[in-house]
Amino acid sequence: DIVLTQSPLSLSVTPGEPASISCRSSHNLLQSDGYNYLDWYLQRPGQSPQLLIYLGSNRASGIPDRFSGSGSGTDFTLKISRVESEDVGVYYCMQPARAPPYTFGQGSKLEIK
Amino acid sequence: EVQLVESGGGLVQPGGSLRLSCAASGFAFSYHYMHWVRQAPGKGLVWVSRINHDGTNRIYADSVRGRFTISRDNGRNTLFLQMDSLRADDTAVYYCAKDRHDSGAYVGFSWGRGILVTVSS
Repeated sequence: DIVLTQSPLSLSVTPGEPASISCRSSHNLLQSDGYNYLDWYLQRPGQSPQLLIYLGSNRASGIPDRFSGSGSGTDFTLKISRVESEDVGVYYCMQPARAPPYTFGQGSKLEIK
Repeated sequence: EVQLVESGGGLVQPGGSLRLSCAASGFAFSYHYMHWVRQAPGKGLVWVSRINHDGTNRIYADSVRGRFTISRDNGRNTLFLQMDSLRADDTAVYYCAKDRHDSGAYVGFSWGRGILVTVSS
């Protein structure tokens, strides 16, 4: 099974400051079609997960451009250029590249200072 | 707008059964792969099962294989999860999730609101 390791697992950020979360995969997520099969999801408190980024760097519909995804192969990063209060929650990376099983990272909890 | 509404959760005794449903709307359900993902209280997300667009291919996590069955009724735009031989560690919020169109590109998952299943005596 592919293991996704996120870091940090917890971060506290001042509004307006940037934030960054890393996701490292135990296997290469770059597929033969040239795409990196790695998603980012945000689960706000008491809500279901919401897609932020798919295929490594593509922002989902309606997601603000202060969210960006980058990386290739086994190392990926989610960046928030200027954190806002609504960004509080748990961020998960997920790989649909080699399934079953689809696997998630442990989650990274973002709170506001 | 994509809408996924889960139902059928509740309290069940260990060894019992439960059938979850997920009513889909706002997209061409019969062309999309669908998943169940669960989240134990205070824990992370864990994938459970996936079914392809016409129900001919189903895959499961090792932890539920042989006990859970995923199915779909494309005429009713509904996804199901039959859960048998339930154990305490199956206690979780169960989410229904929409995956890619059968002939389309991958664009990530869309999620329902989830339904709580509690296995306890």
